[in-house]
Amino acid sequence: SQQGEEDPQALSIQEGENATMNCSYKTSINNLQWYRQNSGRGLVHLILIRSNEREKHSGRLRVTLDTSKKSSSLLITASRAADTASYFCATVRGSNYKLTFGKGTLLTVNP
Amino acid sequence: DTAVSQTPKYLVTQMGNDKSIKCEQNLGHDTMYWYKQDSKKFLKIMFSYNNKELIINETVPNRFSPKSPDKAHLNLHINSLELGDSAVYFCASSPVTSGTSGSMYEQYFGPGTRLTVT
Repeated sequence: SQQGEEDPQALSIQEGENATMNCSYKTSINNLQWYRQNSGRGLVHLILIRSNEREKHSGRLRVTLDTSKKSSSLLITASRAADTASYFCATVRGSNYKLTFGKGTLLTVNP
Repeated sequence: DTAVSQTPKYLVTQMGNDKSIKCEQNLGHDTMYWYKQDSKKFLKIMFSYNNKELIINETVPNRFSPKSPDKAHLNLHINSLELGDSAVYFCASSPVTSGTSGSMYEQYFGPGTRLTVT
């Protein structure tokens, strides 16, 4: 069954603005990951945050995790047109190998 | 030097046919996966193999049969194709890194195979 739920479903911003996407999940997790999918392409891993971590940074990306609220957010700062893509959160439960994906947020960055 | 490759990229076929999609990874990973992405972009895992052993088998019709001849390859064979099988199928692989709280890993995805059943 679906674990993650992203919101908003779609987000349109101007270049240079920040974009924030949220992900909520239902059960306890081992870690949470964010992926990007450009149109017609495969998914690309962006960042992994473990259940005992609260915040992680990678370049212009900042991810937070609140396990008490079962939610995570992905912030992209100073967005670029090339950031236009769908963004998915995915959770891992326990010690299994399975990623359970949310429905994704379609981000459009207008030049 | 493609990391995860899939063939074919596009596959158009008629209902009732049998088809295969091939996947290869040159990353030296032990674990490989098949995902199905529907028209609403929802991604769902179908199968996972770790070093040629099936470790995840979600509720998938038994018309779908994965085959892993070696740990670098995971092929997907589909019998008696149905209209509802139309989707994009992604192969992925991952290393397995044991951390203090269990398995931590990221997955590397192939470019996808768009299957259209008419």
